[in-house]
Amino acid sequence: AQKITQTQPGMFVQEKEAVTLDCTYDTSDPSYGLFWYKQPSSGEMIFLIYQGSYDQQNATEGRYSLNFQKARKSANLVISASQLGDSAMYFCAMREITSGTYKYIFGTGTRLKVLA
Amino acid sequence: DGGITQSPKYLFRKEGQNVTLSCEQNLNHDAMYWYRQDPGQGLRLIYYSQIVNDFQKGDIAEGYSVSREKKESFPLTVTSAQKNPTAFYLCASGHRGLKNIQYFGAGTRLSVL
Repeated sequence: AQKITQTQPGMFVQEKEAVTLDCTYDTSDPSYGLFWYKQPSSGEMIFLIYQGSYDQQNATEGRYSLNFQKARKSANLVISASQLGDSAMYFCAMREITSGTYKYIFGTGTRLKVLA
Repeated sequence: DGGITQSPKYLFRKEGQNVTLSCEQNLNHDAMYWYRQDPGQGLRLIYYSQIVNDFQKGDIAEGYSVSREKKESFPLTVTSAQKNPTAFYLCASGHRGLKNIQYFGAGTRLSVL
C-alpha cells in the first residue's frame, strides 16, 4: 500500500490566488514528520515546510502553510498569493523510524502551473 | 557557502562500465542519502548512511554501491549490474533527530550511451 499519496498529478492556479496541494499518508509510527519539497525544472529539491506529528499548530513558512489533519492522515500544502515562480513539481514526504533509523518516503508529486 | 555539491551534473555510461557519482557536504550533517528519480516519478531510496563507516541498503540498492569513509563524502557507484541506470540521482544530507530535514544537492543526470 502507498504510504504517501498525492492524488493530483497536475494543478493550475491563477497568479495571486491560493492553491491547495493534497497529501495523505499512512503510518503506524506515533512519532513522524511530514515535509513538502519543491522541485523546479532545474531539478534540485527545495525544502519548504515541516510538520511534526506532535505539533499542535499547523506549520507556516511565509506563503506556505500546512493543513495538518491528523485523524484524517492528511497534510495538505496551501500556497497563498501564487506567483509565476511557484510553477514546479511539489512532493510530499514522510519521515518515519524503521528499525531505529530515520527513513523518508516520497509521494509521486503534483505538477503546479501558475497562469499569468 | 554551506551546502551539498553533486558532480558531475551530467554523466554518460557505456555498456559494462562502472561510474561514480560524487556527493560532498559541508553542513556537518551526520546522515547522507542517495535517491533515484525516474521521469514523472517520486524519489526512491538507494542507500543511506547515518554515521561514518556505516551504511544501509534502501529500497532499490541492487546494482549500486556506496562508501562513507568521511563525514563529508558519500559517493555512489553505479555498477554494470544496474541494467537500467538512466535516471536523475539526488544526494541529500541531514542531522539525525526528530526534526530531521533533508537538504538536497542539485542532482546528477545519468544516461547510457
